[in-house]
Amino acid sequence: AQSVTQPDIHITVSEGASLELRCNYSYGATPYLFWYVQSPGQGLQLLLKYFSGDTLVQGIKGFEAEFKRSQSSFNLRKPSVHWSDAAEYFCAVGSNYKLTFGKGTLLTVNP
Amino acid sequence: DVKVTQSSRYLVKRTGEKVFLECVQDMDHENMFWYRQDPGLGLRLIYFSYDVKMKEKGDIPEGYSVSREKKERFSLILESASTNQTSMYLCASSSRAGWVFDNSPLHFGNGTRLTVT
Repeated sequence: AQSVTQPDIHITVSEGASLELRCNYSYGATPYLFWYVQSPGQGLQLLLKYFSGDTLVQGIKGFEAEFKRSQSSFNLRKPSVHWSDAAEYFCAVGSNYKLTFGKGTLLTVNP
Repeated sequence: DVKVTQSSRYLVKRTGEKVFLECVQDMDHENMFWYRQDPGLGLRLIYFSYDVKMKEKGDIPEGYSVSREKKERFSLILESASTNQTSMYLCASSSRAGWVFDNSPLHFGNGTRLTVT
């Protein structure tokens, strides 16, 4: 069965600092991997996705993620965080019709 | 832009009531999904449907049922609401081509926050 682990429940960074959110997955074949963001009171918005090919993928809002098969990881990064990035971030692994989500990482941004 | 609309933003119901959560999408998507979201648990799939009148159980279907009579509409039904069903419910849709050909595998609604007292 597929599963996703986000080890960090809550992360606090200062505005302008770099960010890395961790994601580890368990999946039997080549995974489809995603990062979603949820701002307060909103639905989920796709940040980026990995299907195949280049292991470094670029997304919206200046985010990127790197797929590392050997580590079963798909960590999300941003070089300089903005206050508007404060939100909850979900990693997900997909197959067929179904996405399995991690439990999320809440990001707080200090001024 | 794909629009997934959930009929209620907030809902308060009593224990034992029958509750209907409605979801409509406007992009002719084949697949529709119901998730519940709880703090510390992330999103968990309740049911999904890949065609009209078709449904499949997700990871936590107990206490729920669904209805898909029309392609654009997917209803989640709580036959007898209980307090442990207090949660945020998210509807989503995707095209049959899914991951590869669509810009986003899932398009989400803004959620319905259900409180059962």
